[in-house]
Amino acid sequence: GENVEQHPSTLSVQEGDSAVIKCTYSDSASNYFPWYKQELGKRPQLIIDIRSNVGEKKDQRIAVTLNKTAKHFSLHITETQPEDSAVYFCAASKGNTGTASKLTFGTGTRLQVTL
Amino acid sequence: DVKVTQSSRYLVKRTGEKVFLECVQDMDHENMFWYRQDPGLGLRLIYFSYDVKMKEKGDIPEGYSVSREKKERFSLILESASTNQTSMYLCHTGSNTEAFFGQGTRLTVV
Repeated sequence: GENVEQHPSTLSVQEGDSAVIKCTYSDSASNYFPWYKQELGKRPQLIIDIRSNVGEKKDQRIAVTLNKTAKHFSLHITETQPEDSAVYFCAASKGNTGTASKLTFGTGTRLQVTL
Repeated sequence: DVKVTQSSRYLVKRTGEKVFLECVQDMDHENMFWYRQDPGLGLRLIYFSYDVKMKEKGDIPEGYSVSREKKERFSLILESASTNQTSMYLCHTGSNTEAFFGQGTRLTVV
């Protein structure tokens, strides 16, 4: 089955700096890669996703890049703010576009943005 | 606004008890999933369902079963709760463009 590895497990950055979280996957058939943010005591929330026919996607301060050949994808957060502090999870799946598919998650990255 | 509602936020059960965790969604999605979340292990898939009365094992199904009698409701059952099933349980549904988790059930087995 699919295996997703995520690094680093913890990341501390100063406010205003950039943060990068990296994930690798094992199954070349995976075609959908979402990122979730989980604040303390809350449910994970989808923040950005990318499909295998796209190499990069941006949404304001966050961006995701995908390298299909190397089977890795990354989350980039620029101009970090204290409210970005949370646990971030990457995931991979082989779903179609219609309905949610089973996700294989990375183990999470705890991001701490310090003042 | 999609609602994915789990029946309990916190549960404490005794070893050997049969435990039911309920998840209800109001958006008519076919696919529903149960994950457990443990520190350092991320989220792991227990069971999922693509349709009523249909179920498939995920990566860690041992000790669990599920029930999907109606499209909107997906239940996770711990046949005989054990201490190693102490965890956060999360229900998930949606489409690939709007996926949602329930608020989670923190289960403690004593």
